[in-house]
Amino acid sequence: LAKTTQPISMDSYEGQEVNITCSHNNIATNDYITWYQQFPSQGPRFIIQGYKTKVTNEVASLFIPADRKSSTLSLPRVSLSDTAVYYCLVEGTGRRALTFGSGTRLQVQP
Amino acid sequence: EPEVTQTPSHQVTQMGQEVILRCVPISNHLYFYWYRQILGQKVEFLVSFYNNEISEKSEIFDDQFSVERPDGSNFTLKIRSTKLEDSAMYFCASSELDVLSTNEKLFFGSGTQLSVL
Repeated sequence: LAKTTQPISMDSYEGQEVNITCSHNNIATNDYITWYQQFPSQGPRFIIQGYKTKVTNEVASLFIPADRKSSTLSLPRVSLSDTAVYYCLVEGTGRRALTFGSGTRLQVQP
Repeated sequence: EPEVTQTPSHQVTQMGQEVILRCVPISNHLYFYWYRQILGQKVEFLVSFYNNEISEKSEIFDDQFSVERPDGSNFTLKIRSTKLEDSAMYFCASSELDVLSTNEKLFFGSGTQLSVL
């Protein structure tokens, strides 16, 4: 099981781009990188998933370098509603359970 | 977008009482899960369920816990004799079995806040 390390907290202002980097030095060949978002008193919500290079959807982009030992979640032009905890997960195929770490608490200020 | 529904949103119980937390997973999903989150702590895996049996469970999921899919839509978590330390937010989740996918995406409900007094 690959362990992940991400900053405990980050602060930003509305309209800025936010990049949250996650380290996963022991990632295995069959592991995918997945990011979830959690608002207070709600369940985690899937944001984006990738294996290598770059993935983009309507919410975020995920950048994964060639060695896959880290990944960066990029949130373009954040708003106050993006204030949440963001979790980086690295899990292999066939697993039935996700393991959540402490996540990164993003606070967006006006 | 389809969603996982949990009831009740809040449950208060006395220590030693039995509680049943209810969940309606997304209709075409085949894998079901319970997670919990104690206030200020990590989201912790409890159990996964597929084809009417437990497929994986954590050390938290001891004999006081049980899960059931009593009909085609509901998925329940029962705590037989609640303890103070069971106070937490309990999240139900489901995922779609896709033989072509290489990693599952979980859909979580909004949770049931359980308070044991």
